Amino acid sequence: DQQVKQNSPSLSVQEGRISILNCDYTNSMFDYFLWYKKYPAEGPTFLISISSIKDKNEDGRFTVFLNKSAKHLSLHIVPSQPGDSAVYFCAASSYQGGSEKLVFGKGTKLTVNP
Amino acid sequence: DSGVTQTPKHLITATGQRVTLRCSPRSGDLSVYWYQQSLDQGLQFLIQYYNGEERAKGNILERFSAQQFPDLHSELNLSSLELGDSALYFCASSARGVKVETQYFGPGTRLLVL
Repeated sequence: DQQVKQNSPSLSVQEGRISILNCDYTNSMFDYFLWYKKYPAEGPTFLISISSIKDKNEDGRFTVFLNKSAKHLSLHIVPSQPGDSAVYFCAASSYQGGSEKLVFGKGTKLTVNP
Repeated sequence: DSGVTQTPKHLITATGQRVTLRCSPRSGDLSVYWYQQSLDQGLQFLIQYYNGEERAKGNILERFSAQQFPDLHSELNLSSLELGDSALYFCASSARGVKVETQYFGPGTRLLVL
């Protein structure tokens, strides 16, 4: 049972345009969401997060939007740069059994073409 | 560089064997997490330790075990290895292992079981 879904395995955009990466979740107990970026041969790197009490969080070129009613979040990258080419993982967090657990999606590979 | 180190980077072994993966957290971080990333899969949470004690358990097989030592480094032991255990194993660390804390990932250990 996949609780966090990234339905697009890959996305290709032109440099300077907007990249929109989507993520859906099923567990209503999730109350904190994160995006991680991963380059080949490296571990994931934290990018941006959002609490369920917010619907938007912005950090430079990166903005995450949360639609709780739809159980959907998205990451917008504007403008996209070739260095943004990586695999992006959406993750959701819930506090269960006295501990915090992160559940990851399968990732979306973003390619930004010069 | 996240500050989290993992050794070895690559490991090739045979079915039925046992291996140990090692992780050193960022300086000052008390919590260590282990994740498995199989082909075309997202990161699957295996287990978390905080200051030497197990704090949370995910989808960790009984053939797998982990521990965190007094110097806070952690080891993940995989025994009776099967072909399906071939994967990337990531270690992450965070300061106190509590809610909304960013996890910093190591570069991973790539395990190939032949």
